[in-house]
Amino acid sequence: NAGVTQTPKFQVLKTGQSMTLQCAQDMNHNSMYWYRQDPGMGLRLIYYSASEGTTDKGEVPNGYNVSRLNKREFSLRLESAAPSQTSVYFCASTPGDREEQPQHFGDGTRLSIL
Amino acid sequence: QKEVEQDPGPLSVPEGAIVSLNCTYSNSAFQYFMWYRQYSRKGPELLMYTYSSGNKEDGRFTAQVDKSSKYISLFIRDSQPSDSATYLCAIRGSARQLTFGSGTQLTVLP
Repeated sequence: NAGVTQTPKFQVLKTGQSMTLQCAQDMNHNSMYWYRQDPGMGLRLIYYSASEGTTDKGEVPNGYNVSRLNKREFSLRLESAAPSQTSVYFCASTPGDREEQPQHFGDGTRLSIL
Repeated sequence: QKEVEQDPGPLSVPEGAIVSLNCTYSNSAFQYFMWYRQYSRKGPELLMYTYSSGNKEDGRFTAQVDKSSKYISLFIRDSQPSDSATYLCAIRGSARQLTFGSGTQLTVLP
């Protein structure tokens, strides 16, 4: 009953370093999402993947890249980390993209960039 | 102006109180309305969703949507300390993206 698993849970980076955040779901869901959550800003969509092999930009994609490795896994990469990317990152998945289907979230990766 | 506005609180109430959480939105194309609950250091979990104006009840929770006023509410009856969490409204139109409110932090005091 793992659901959505994110690794790592915590990470500290220096400005300019690169890093990949990993996300895997075991619910056979087609759609996956990456959000960032900042105080007072709510959750903002970075990228999403409606199905295996497709990715699309969300509200705040600059500075990030994604890879939908297979149906289970969706990774988020920071090529050159900046302090403005300090945030809590959440991965989510849904069975498809029907409007009423809830998004299932992981427990987040807390990322600090110095 | 944000598409979805939510009072961040914090809101503190005694156990047993009725809690009212609210969001307003600006885009009349929004059709699906959800409430998520987020415990500290956890991911959000879906609490309720509705796609029409009116009320939807689930146990101690009632979700209310007024499309004419672009206003949604979540009521919690007989609040418990275990209800202490951040509550996020989330709204979706025809696009795949969910638009979240900034969240209201609720503490229910025993």
